[in-house]
Amino acid sequence: AQSVSQHNHHVILSEAASLELGCNYSYGGTVNLFWYVQYPGQHLQLLLKYFSGDPLVKGIKGFEAEFIKSKFSFNLRKPSVQWSDTAEYFCAVIGSGAGSYQLTFGKGTKLSVIP
Amino acid sequence: DARVTQTPRHKVTEMGQEVTMRCQPILGHNTVFWYRQTMMQGLELLAYFRNRAPLDDSGMPKDRFSAEMPDATLATLKIQPSEPRDSAVYFCASGPGTGRQETQYFGPGTRLLVL
Repeated sequence: AQSVSQHNHHVILSEAASLELGCNYSYGGTVNLFWYVQYPGQHLQLLLKYFSGDPLVKGIKGFEAEFIKSKFSFNLRKPSVQWSDTAEYFCAVIGSGAGSYQLTFGKGTKLSVIP
Repeated sequence: DARVTQTPRHKVTEMGQEVTMRCQPILGHNTVFWYRQTMMQGLELLAYFRNRAPLDDSGMPKDRFSAEMPDATLATLKIQPSEPRDSAVYFCASGPGTGRQETQYFGPGTRLLVL
């Protein structure tokens, strides 16, 4: 079964600091990887996704993530965070089983950005 | 701007009562997912449908939960009888049914509190 680990439960940064949120997955086959963001009181929104090709993926709002297959990792980065990035971030994976649609989520990382 | 809609947004009920949550997927999407989000467990997949047929409901407590799609524009999740441990946010998501490479679009959620 596939699983996703997000190492940081809560990250606190000052505005303009750089961000890197860790995500590791456990799955033996080909995977599709996603980062979703959940702003306070809101639903999940897709930040970015990786299916194939360039392992450095750019998403919305200045976020990017790098897929490192050898490390089973898909870390999320942003060079300079803003107060409006305060939210919870979820890494998710879909495995390559036939007819597989199931997103498996990590437990999430809460980001607090201090003005 | 096509969105997944869910009703009700908030529900407070007493233990033992029936709870019905509704979801309208994005028009044209043929996969529908139900997730539950709690502080302790994070996001868990309860059930999902493709072309209105249930593909997997192994994440649901079968004795009290049921999920259906009466038609392509409506998915329902019922809890009967409800228990305090069912208190959570229930998200519906839909996707275009392209398999592993599809993006799931989430609704705003139903915040359920069972007293």
